[in-house]
Amino acid sequence: IQLTQSPSFLSASVGDRVTITCRASQAISSYLAWYQQKPGKAPKLLIYSASTLQSGVPSRFSGSGSGTEFTLTISSLQPADFATYYCQQINNYTPITFGQGTRLEIK
Amino acid sequence: EVQVVESGGALVQPGRSLRLSCRGSGFTFGDFAMSWVRQAPGKGLEWVGFIRSKVYGATTEYAASVKGRFSISRDDSKSIAYLQMTSLKTEDTAVYYCTRHVSPYYDILTGYYEEEYYFDYWGQGTLVTVSS
Repeated sequence: IQLTQSPSFLSASVGDRVTITCRASQAISSYLAWYQQKPGKAPKLLIYSASTLQSGVPSRFSGSGSGTEFTLTISSLQPADFATYYCQQINNYTPITFGQGTRLEIK
Repeated sequence: EVQVVESGGALVQPGRSLRLSCRGSGFTFGDFAMSWVRQAPGKGLEWVGFIRSKVYGATTEYAASVKGRFSISRDDSKSIAYLQMTSLKTEDTAVYYCTRHVSPYYDILTGYYEEEYYFDYWGQGTLVTVSS
């Protein structure tokens, strides 16, 4: 199952509302997660099962969608949110696949 | 505090072998499935393979790109998972992350606990460079 994220690159300002989309090549129910990765660091789980916020993740992050289209929304961008974001599907866990990433930069 | 720490990364020649280790602490290692995920320089994330917990038979699955060359094992008495890599290729050059899977969940439809395949804890990564 292929995952395609859009956009691949996003420039935004602190306080903006941002949405990143992940499209699956076939239906994956709600078996999707979102990760945040900062340069030189390991990825961090933000959301799983499409919309469940991982413990300790700020509530400005939210996820939605099912089937083939999913979104990650950051309601009000903070300086710490500038990073690369990846979606991951586990519906068909052999193989587990990731999207190509969305790089979020400060405008 | 839950921690996952990889070790064993190195510079190796094509065709050679290398074994990575992943030590977990702060949790009951044997209760969790573990995955390896890699990231080539400047590229995205690629899942390499996982090993289920012993309750689920400690079975393994691999990405097509490494199947037959890489194998994952675990020693729960030492809280360590291993990634044995053989016949290394230049395209295997990457930072290798060890990850813990999210806790199994209770499926009310089946009446069983089911493995999860999301990754809630990651190590800091270990660099494997394959070059002559």
